[in-house]
Amino acid sequence: GQQVQQSPASLVLQEGENAELQCNFSSTATRLQWFYQHPGGRLVSLFYNPSGTKHTGRLTSTTVTNERRGSLHISSSQTTDSGTYFCANMGYKLTFGTGTSLLVDP
Amino acid sequence: GALVYQYPRRTICKSGTSMRMECQAVGFQATSVAWYRQSPQKTFELIALSTVNSAIKYEQNFTQEKFPISHPNLSFSSMTVLNAYLEDRGLYLCGARDGGGTEVFFGKGTRLTVV
Repeated sequence: GQQVQQSPASLVLQEGENAELQCNFSSTATRLQWFYQHPGGRLVSLFYNPSGTKHTGRLTSTTVTNERRGSLHISSSQTTDSGTYFCANMGYKLTFGTGTSLLVDP
Repeated sequence: GALVYQYPRRTICKSGTSMRMECQAVGFQATSVAWYRQSPQKTFELIALSTVNSAIKYEQNFTQEKFPISHPNLSFSSMTVLNAYLEDRGLYLCGARDGGGTEVFFGKGTRLTVV
């Protein structure tokens, strides 16, 4: 079945540093979506990005479909960015990656 | 905007009893609803995918007998966990998408604790 791998598994930053989260998937048919999960469990959609680059505030999503990879760049990290980030590839069902746990220290 | 509400947010049930959770889409028509369980280790398992006017498709290791789902209209879905045991603990998330089939919107989840 389809697999989605994320790296790193965890990341600790000082506030103000940048972060680059990676997502690799096994299928060339991609409809990649990035999610942020609050510590309480709420899952928030950050980007739906099947290909190319999208920006929202300090976040940038890049998907390179023919290389089966995507990335999420967080610039000037803040403590409120702490949480778990998931990428997911949407076929007939959404297959989640393994997640990256981010901790931003003040 | 598109919102998904889940109820209840948290529930505790005794081992062997059952509990029902609900999912409501607001601001869009939820033509398909997927129920997931997230383990304490954070991994996601798809339980079933429900599409209006189609049969509900359960994933391996999940059955209708254990997790019956109702999806009667374009805004509402419910799932029951029957005879809950310790291994059923976790965060149950409802993800819905509209007929355009692009983004999936999630609710805040129902956290099930079994004692």
